[in-house]
Amino acid sequence: AQSVTQLGSHVSVSEGALVLLRCNYSSSVPPYLFWYVQYPNQGLQLLLKYTSAATLVKGINGFEAEFKKSETSFHLTKPSAHMSDAAEYFCAVSDLSNFGNEKLTFGTGTRLTIIP
Amino acid sequence: GAVVSQHPSRVICKSGTSVKIECRSLDFQATTMFWYRQFPKQSLMLMATSNEGSKATYEQGVEKDKFLINHASLTLSTLTVTSAHPEDSSFYICSARQGIGTIMNTEAFFGQGTRLTVV
Repeated sequence: AQSVTQLGSHVSVSEGALVLLRCNYSSSVPPYLFWYVQYPNQGLQLLLKYTSAATLVKGINGFEAEFKKSETSFHLTKPSAHMSDAAEYFCAVSDLSNFGNEKLTFGTGTRLTIIP
Repeated sequence: GAVVSQHPSRVICKSGTSVKIECRSLDFQATTMFWYRQFPKQSLMLMATSNEGSKATYEQGVEKDKFLINHASLTLSTLTVTSAHPEDSSFYICSARQGIGTIMNTEAFFGQGTRLTVV
């Protein structure tokens, strides 16, 4: 069974400051990891994904995440927060145990607030 | 990115009635669609996976007779909540997988969700 833990349901950072959203996973097989962002009244949008290639993954809007197997972590970072980054962020894990119909298991989400 | 449209965005219905939620992939064909349910301050919970032209695969604990899923075409899947009760009130989200392949080389696009309130 797979699971994802997102530490901190709410994170507030000042505009221009570093954004760090934490995600730890549990998986019995090599995982595929994802970060999604959800803006108010919109669907989830893929920020980035790790699929066993490079451990440092770059995504859209200046976000990146690093897969650390030893720490079972996939934390999301952005060097300088922008007001438009305010949203809900979800970490998710999947594998290839059901080829073509892989399920995503989501974390509980982290609401990011940017302080002007 | 591709667009998935979910309708309605909000619905209020009386207890005992049925509600249908539509999920459409607007600019691509989706062989696989997923339906999720999200409780307040909780993660998205997968309810079922549907492939076009075949019966949906429901997750353990999800009542298939209560949550009817139809994936009749490559661009449309529907979720019908039958005989709705207040405990069915929730946020329902669909996603559609673009392309054929694995999660490594395809992407799932999400609808904006439907807030169902049963009174």
